[in-house]
Amino acid sequence: DAKTTQPTSMDCAEGRAANLPCNHSTISGNEYVYWYRQIHSQGPQYIIHGLKNNETNEMASLIITEDRKSSTLILPHATLRDTAVYYCIALGAGNNRKLIWGLGTSLAVNP
Amino acid sequence: GAVVSQHPSWVICKSGTSVKIECRSLDFQATTMFWYRQFPKQSLMLMATSNEGSKATYEQGVEKDKFLINHASLTLSTLTVTSAHPEDSSFYICSAPDTYEQYFGPGTRLTVT
Repeated sequence: DAKTTQPTSMDCAEGRAANLPCNHSTISGNEYVYWYRQIHSQGPQYIIHGLKNNETNEMASLIITEDRKSSTLILPHATLRDTAVYYCIALGAGNNRKLIWGLGTSLAVNP
Repeated sequence: GAVVSQHPSWVICKSGTSVKIECRSLDFQATTMFWYRQFPKQSLMLMATSNEGSKATYEQGVEKDKFLINHASLTLSTLTVTSAHPEDSSFYICSAPDTYEQYFGPGTRLTVT
């Protein structure tokens, strides 16, 4: 599975959009981009995933560049409860594949 | 979405004792479950893959005799930390894949004194 690179930490004002970048320059054609987040002392929570097209759900939007070498997770109106570590993972098809976790981005949403 | 539960949510045990952690998929069946360990301020580290009806597959560096995994049914996997030591104190998390994604349990905080 391709390696991903994320900034260590980011800050965002409450109510503003949080844009979290992820580089996955070695991603292969059949690998999806998955985003999870982990609030302190809790299990990870699935946010969104995509292959080529931009995706949106009730939690966030995922923008994937045309060359698929990077992506951005967008939380449109960040709240204090969105403070968490966000992980970007490139993963091949098949839900039994092992998730390899990097250090993620620690997002602090400030009042 | 699907729900995965873990029990207990936290446990304190004495050095040398064994601790069992349960992971259940509540509304779906999981032939595979994953066990992770997470130390403070670190990322999740995959320990092993639990397979229903067969032996678990351990990641390199994880002692299979120390971390016993049993996946006896399609909804339950257990992790037993045998002869626990203070360095085994950690946050243990399980996950179970459904059709499209993996669902994570809330985690178990183990403290060995």
